[in-house]
Amino acid sequence: DAGVTQTPRHEVAEKGQTIILKCEPVSGHNDLFWYRQTKIQGLELLSYFRSKSLMEDGGAFKDRFKAEMLNSSFSTLKIQPTEPKDSAVYLCASSRDWGGFEQYFGPGTRLTVL
Amino acid sequence: QQQVRQSPQSLTVWEGETAILNCSYEDSTFNYFPWYQQFPGEGPALLISIRSVSDKKEDGRFTIFFNKREKKLSLHITDSQPGDSATYFCAASEGYAQGLTFGLGTRVSVFP
Repeated sequence: DAGVTQTPRHEVAEKGQTIILKCEPVSGHNDLFWYRQTKIQGLELLSYFRSKSLMEDGGAFKDRFKAEMLNSSFSTLKIQPTEPKDSAVYLCASSRDWGGFEQYFGPGTRLTVL
Repeated sequence: QQQVRQSPQSLTVWEGETAILNCSYEDSTFNYFPWYQQFPGEGPALLISIRSVSDKKEDGRFTIFFNKREKKLSLHITDSQPGDSATYFCAASEGYAQGLTFGLGTRVSVFP
């Protein structure tokens, strides 16, 4: 089975641009999580979906970050407008529903905002 | 305030030694504790996990010891190998389909 797929692997954006990151979860997994990783803050949860329903919409990140799960096999994270402080690695993880404790991560998208 | 704390920040051991990584947490509602291993340029990979009903979980050379009363756990890597050189993250959650809260990681270097 294929693991979690994320595209693109690298993205460079100018300040103020809109960027969309994509994630395909493990086949059969219906729970999906978006995290951000920086050296200072470490790994932080951005949003997550349980059986495709949005459970957390980003908290401190909600004003410019919007995650959507378009179907059970595809999710996007939109950042609009981007700021230099958004430079980070964005990670997607998935787990199976009903009893799926284990989360499996993708390789991440490294975003650089100039 | 960091909900999950890890120590040390970095650790160096010789091949064959046991590496001990420590983790503590604040929230008593946490009941699931996975450890992830991350190599540069890759996403975190699930290594081993434990639920709060257990006090020990073993998988090959990796063992988690869990002390619920003190809200502490540790990861022991026995017979360390150079290929174990990576950053290890302790995480916690309240249960399935819940987001994970991560520590800041311990960078382990194993020298031959």
